[in-house]
Amino acid sequence: QVQLVQSGAEVKKPGASVKVSCKASGYTFTSNYMHWVRQTPGQGLEWMGIINPSGGSTTYAQNFQGTVTMTSDTSTSTVYMELNSLRSEDTAVYYCARDTVGGSGLIDYWGQGTLVTVSS
Amino acid sequence: EIVLTQSPATLSLSPGERATLSCRASQSVSNYLAWYQQKPGQAPRLLIYDASNRATGIPARFSGSGSGTDFTLTISGLEPEDFAFYYCLQRSNWPPVTFGQGTRLEIK
Repeated sequence: QVQLVQSGAEVKKPGASVKVSCKASGYTFTSNYMHWVRQTPGQGLEWMGIINPSGGSTTYAQNFQGTVTMTSDTSTSTVYMELNSLRSEDTAVYYCARDTVGGSGLIDYWGQGTLVTVSS
Repeated sequence: EIVLTQSPATLSLSPGERATLSCRASQSVSNYLAWYQQKPGQAPRLLIYDASNRATGIPARFSGSGSGTDFTLTISGLEPEDFAFYYCLQRSNWPPVTFGQGTRLEIK
């Protein structure tokens, strides 16, 4: 069965960076794009971007351009999301989420989420 | 960017009743609208895709309808496990994918 297992919770200071991992199993890793979505009480669910694990091409949401980097490692079936210049407003649960097929925009499976807390 | 507006924000019903949740788009999304269920501390789960298609393993009491700008998620005969948050997602004109702000379905 499809599983997306994310790395554990993080506490960071303002201005720092965080890198969240998402290890996929139960399907062919390079066959499906991967989204990153974050969830905050105030903003709800917010799409951050998408990566094609086969080749590593990315598309980022405008709000995150310049601060987010998504990468993939096909040898370990893992995608990564790095967010730089953290602010308190970046405190959120970050999810990786699998696209159905061919970058359709439809998300079918989600990771369990990683809580990132930004606090001085 | 397409804005999705969900209503009501909170819906209070009893088990066995019928729930009707709405999602309205700021412009047409054709039928590229999905619904997700989220319980506290859990990730969202896909219920309905392309407006009216149930995802694998989703009970028949969940149904979706609509096209263009107005969509409805109906839960016929609420079960205790159905009380949760529900979100809609559009993928018609993306990036970006956008989500509604959610409806909380609570036990009355």
